Amino acid sequence: VIWMTQSPSLLSASTGDRVIISCRLSQGVGTSLAWYRHQPGKAPELLIYAASTLQSGVPSRFTGSGSGTDFTLTINSLQSEDFATYYCQQYYTLPRTFGPGTKVEIK
Amino acid sequence: DVQLVESGGGLVQPGGSLTLSCATSGFIFSNFWMSWVRQAPGKGLEWVANIKQDGSEKNYVDSVRGRFTISRDNAKNSLYLQLSSLGADDMAVYYCGYGGYFFNYWGQGTLVTVSS
Repeated sequence: VIWMTQSPSLLSASTGDRVIISCRLSQGVGTSLAWYRHQPGKAPELLIYAASTLQSGVPSRFTGSGSGTDFTLTINSLQSEDFATYYCQQYYTLPRTFGPGTKVEIK
Repeated sequence: DVQLVESGGGLVQPGGSLTLSCATSGFIFSNFWMSWVRQAPGKGLEWVANIKQDGSEKNYVDSVRGRFTISRDNAKNSLYLQLSSLGADDMAVYYCGYGGYFFNYWGQGTLVTVSS
C-alpha cells in the first residue's frame, strides 16, 4: 500500500491569495497522481491528472507539479469556490489511495 | 453532460446487507472502468473497488474484500455495489466514479448508515 501525506492539513487564506499544497508518498509513482477539489455537500471534482495535466474545463489558476514521491498543487488567485478540501490520489498501483486532505478555509 | 446518480443507501443494522446502484448517462459506459469511493463521516476519501469494462476484472481494498461485490450492467449503463456483513467502519457516503485509475466524474453520493 502506498501511503500519502498532505501538508498543511489546514490552510487559512483570503480571496486572491496564492496557495500551495504538498503531497508526499511513501514510494515513487512516477507522475501517476491526481488532485481533486471537494466542496461540502458536492461531488468531488478532478482538477489535475498525470501530476500536471489540467482536466478539461478546470480554470488555469490550478497548477500541478512534481514526480516520484513529491507533488504540489498551486492555486493562483484563490476564488470563493476554492474554499474546499483538496485531495491527492495515486493511481500507480492498487489499492488506489488518497491523501488525508487539505482544507482551505477563509482567513 | 456526464451524469452519475447513486441510490440505495440507507439505515442498516450491523451485520446487514445493502445494494447500491449508480445510474449513468452522457458517456459510453461500456468503454470505461468504473469505481466506488467512500467517505466516512469527518474522514477523507477511500477507494473501495473498481471494475473493468466487461466486468472480467474486479479489484477491492483489503477492508472490504470478501464482503463487498462490485458489478455492472452495460445494457443499463449502471454500476452496482453489494455490501454485506456491514460494520460501523462501513458507514460512509459512497460515490461512484468514472474511471479505474483517476476519477474524471463523480456522483453526489449515497449515504450508508450502520446502526442498531
